[in-house]
Amino acid sequence: SQTIHQWPATLVQPVGSPLSLECTVEGTSNPNLYWYRQAAGRGLQLLFYSVGIGQISSEVPQNLSASRPQDRQFILSSKKLLLSDSGFYLCAWSPLGDSGANVLTFGAGSRLTVL
Amino acid sequence: GQNIDQPTEMTATEGAIVQINCTYQTSGFNGLFWYQQHAGEAPTFLSYNVLDGLEEKGRFSSFLSRSKGYSYLLLKELQMKDSASYLCAGSDSNYQLIWGAGTKLIIKP
Repeated sequence: SQTIHQWPATLVQPVGSPLSLECTVEGTSNPNLYWYRQAAGRGLQLLFYSVGIGQISSEVPQNLSASRPQDRQFILSSKKLLLSDSGFYLCAWSPLGDSGANVLTFGAGSRLTVL
Repeated sequence: GQNIDQPTEMTATEGAIVQINCTYQTSGFNGLFWYQQHAGEAPTFLSYNVLDGLEEKGRFSSFLSRSKGYSYLLLKELQMKDSASYLCAGSDSNYQLIWGAGTKLIIKP
């Protein structure tokens, strides 16, 4: 069966510090991978998605970046965090393909507080 | 523009039935999803509708009307564990999901 791991679960970082959130998927090959941010009272905001190694699409211009160094590994980074980067970050995967029923499976999430 | 609207919060009684509505506007349409999210946890998939009509899965059912841009999630025989946020998401012409802000469902004994 497929599983998705995301870490760290929580972190508190000072403004201007770097960030690295990691996500790995097991039990499947060539998954679509996603990073979302969820702010209170707002819908999930797609930050990045990837259909393959080294292929990253950015949906929202910001000081965050993503990388996919391996097929089942997806990393969200920042060189210098802003207060507005605080939020709940979710990694997700879906099976490769353009089927309409593109069901997302989410990781447990990472709650980031920037002080 | 693309938009998903759903009520912010609803309250229902244990054992009762509740219907959570969602209206959508997307550029193209490739289906409507419902996810459940307990506080502090990740969303989990509940249902997917791409054709008009009702899809039933145990206590949960989801309905879609493409002509009206409307969907609802119906929860029967409510249990305390159903207290959660319910997220509606529409899939656009590029199969990207447009998410609503979620409906927080509070179940009272």
